[in-house]
Amino acid sequence: DSGVTQTPKHLITATGQRVTLRCSPRSGDLSVYWYQQSLDQGLQFLIHYYNGEERAKGNILERFSAQQFPDLHSELNLSSLELGDSALYFCASSAGQGARGETQYFGPGTRLLVL
Amino acid sequence: AQSVAQPEDQVNVAEGNPLTVKCTYSVSGNPYLFWYVQYPNRGLQFLLKYITGDNLVKGSYGFEAEFNKSQTSFHLKKPSALVSDSALYFCAVSTWSGTYKYIFGTGTRLKVLA
Repeated sequence: DSGVTQTPKHLITATGQRVTLRCSPRSGDLSVYWYQQSLDQGLQFLIHYYNGEERAKGNILERFSAQQFPDLHSELNLSSLELGDSALYFCASSAGQGARGETQYFGPGTRLLVL
Repeated sequence: AQSVAQPEDQVNVAEGNPLTVKCTYSVSGNPYLFWYVQYPNRGLQFLLKYITGDNLVKGSYGFEAEFNKSQTSFHLKKPSALVSDSALYFCAVSTWSGTYKYIFGTGTRLKVLA
């Protein structure tokens, strides 16, 4: 158990809908990262927050947004969902700002299925 | 462009035999390299990392990895494979491009046969 929690575990929704995925980092960790894992594209970095501020953006679509709250939990919002958004969404956390050499600890993921 | 390559989609090895999962990288500056393992329906688990120092890094579950600067490789190894090692393995590099982030390889599925 990494200490990172994600809810829900599974989510089934329809195209055009909006969903929110939630992540709680390990106790004391200030950084939260979001990744998308799909069958055809592997593990893709989406976005990184450090202590409430956005630090880096990866391959995140404009329909997706995220935030990190004062208690350090984070939410990933996915809107106008398309079939291709079906994937595993992982959250990871690290102690600091993600400096080189810093280990990330991953949650169990949320499996999203868009029908 | 900075990248990580895992040239094998799948590696099959007999239980008790040594295993190697390959990873090569292309980054500017000194590399910071990681291995993660993903079991079915689970998140990624950290195995080991190379930051500096000894080229042979030891990690969890008996795994080790050898950093080879001249060949830009960071292959994952284990002297004697177990059936329970069967999983998906990811190599990653920590990079700087205005901010720090991980770049992951595409993953290698390891199958250990009894």
